[in-house]
Amino acid sequence: EAQVTQNPRYLITVTGKKLTVTCSQNMNHEYMSWYRQDPGLGLRQIYYSMNVEVTDKGDVPEGYKVSRKEKRNFPLILESPSPNQTSLYFCASSPLPRGQPQHFGDGTRLSIL
Amino acid sequence: SQQGEEDPQALSIQEGENATMNCSYKTSINNLQWYRQNSGRGLVHLILIRSNEREKHSGRLRVTLDTSKKSSSLLITASRAADTASYFCATSVSDTGRRALTFGSGTRLQVQP
Repeated sequence: EAQVTQNPRYLITVTGKKLTVTCSQNMNHEYMSWYRQDPGLGLRQIYYSMNVEVTDKGDVPEGYKVSRKEKRNFPLILESPSPNQTSLYFCASSPLPRGQPQHFGDGTRLSIL
Repeated sequence: SQQGEEDPQALSIQEGENATMNCSYKTSINNLQWYRQNSGRGLVHLILIRSNEREKHSGRLRVTLDTSKKSSSLLITASRAADTASYFCATSVSDTGRRALTFGSGTRLQVQP
């Protein structure tokens, strides 16, 4: 089954404790992206990747890191989480060229205390 | 600011009625897509309309695109309680940047049984 898998689905943690949210897709898609969703603000793009070892900033990259060492995986790293990063996070993937329909994971709800 | 803005922000209708949601955007686009999000879940792609198309159908969904007005509408006919969800438009813009899609803030649809 074609899918984007995120882990964990839920996480409550404390300020400053490094965390990683994993994302994996099994569709051989070149393009992968991370979004955060906040009430009234819709989806805002954090980082995206056009292919292995190619990553770029989205609209709200501050406080986040990503890596793309393998085509299927695109982890999101919060080196020193802060309460303003409490949000619902989505990973998505699509084939190139850009602008194709995206497949989304089921989301990760992060609470930073 | 968001490239796509949905209107209305919230819509409540009775089962069997039609639901119409609108999306406005600001710059030239390659295509416009509509997504659905059930509460707490990832977005699911519904339909894509290219900039040279004016209308597209998929089951009970009808999408129109007016590039002169930079607007699109999503019509769901004969709505069902299971259509209750948030609906987002997303635009693929015609620029040289590498960002793939820009999402609006969504319309929350409630279908009363």
